[in-house]
Amino acid sequence: DQQVKQNSPSLSVQEGRISILNCDYTNSMFDYFLWYKKYPAEGPTFLISISSIKDKNEDGRFTVFLNKSAKHLSLHIVPSQPGDSAVYFCAASARGTYKYIFGTGTRLKVLA
Amino acid sequence: KAGVTQTPRYLIKTRGQQVTLSCSPISGHRSVSWYQQTPGQGLQFLFEYFSETQRNKGNFPGRFSGRQFSNSRSEMNVSTLELGDSALYLCASSLASPSRGGETQYFGPGTRLLVL
Repeated sequence: DQQVKQNSPSLSVQEGRISILNCDYTNSMFDYFLWYKKYPAEGPTFLISISSIKDKNEDGRFTVFLNKSAKHLSLHIVPSQPGDSAVYFCAASARGTYKYIFGTGTRLKVLA
Repeated sequence: KAGVTQTPRYLIKTRGQQVTLSCSPISGHRSVSWYQQTPGQGLQFLFEYFSETQRNKGNFPGRFSGRQFSNSRSEMNVSTLELGDSALYLCASSLASPSRGGETQYFGPGTRLLVL
């Protein structure tokens, strides 16, 4: 039962263009969402979060959009840089469950 | 402020052995969560501890256990190791339990376990 899904295992984008990473969830009780970036042999690095009371959160080049009716969130990276090449995970949490559910990740490759 | 630390970073064990992994959270963080990452499976939740109490447990067999100490440091133990336990084990800490909502988890570098 995969409650959080990242249906694109990989994505290639040209340097300077926009990268859009998508995440879908099934549990309507999720109320907090996180995006992480992960390099090989390292732990995930926190990028940006969004609460279910918002539909957008922005931090520098990173913007997360939340569409609660569609149970969909997306991470936009503008402009994309080669150093952004990594695996990106979305994660969701429901109040009272004391845990995050992670998607399987999307490997982003930014081409110079 | 120091980040989440995990020891050891790499470990090789044989089937049937047991292993203990350690995690020191960010100073002041009281919640510690453990995850298993295997290729193609993303991060699978193992358990979460808050103030020395296990608040939630993932769908893993009883061979996987953990505990948290009064200083918030945490250990996880895997007994009777199987080949399929080979994975990256990640620890994450947050200020308080994720149940409050809005609590970002910060990850350590992980322990790479190889079972032969």
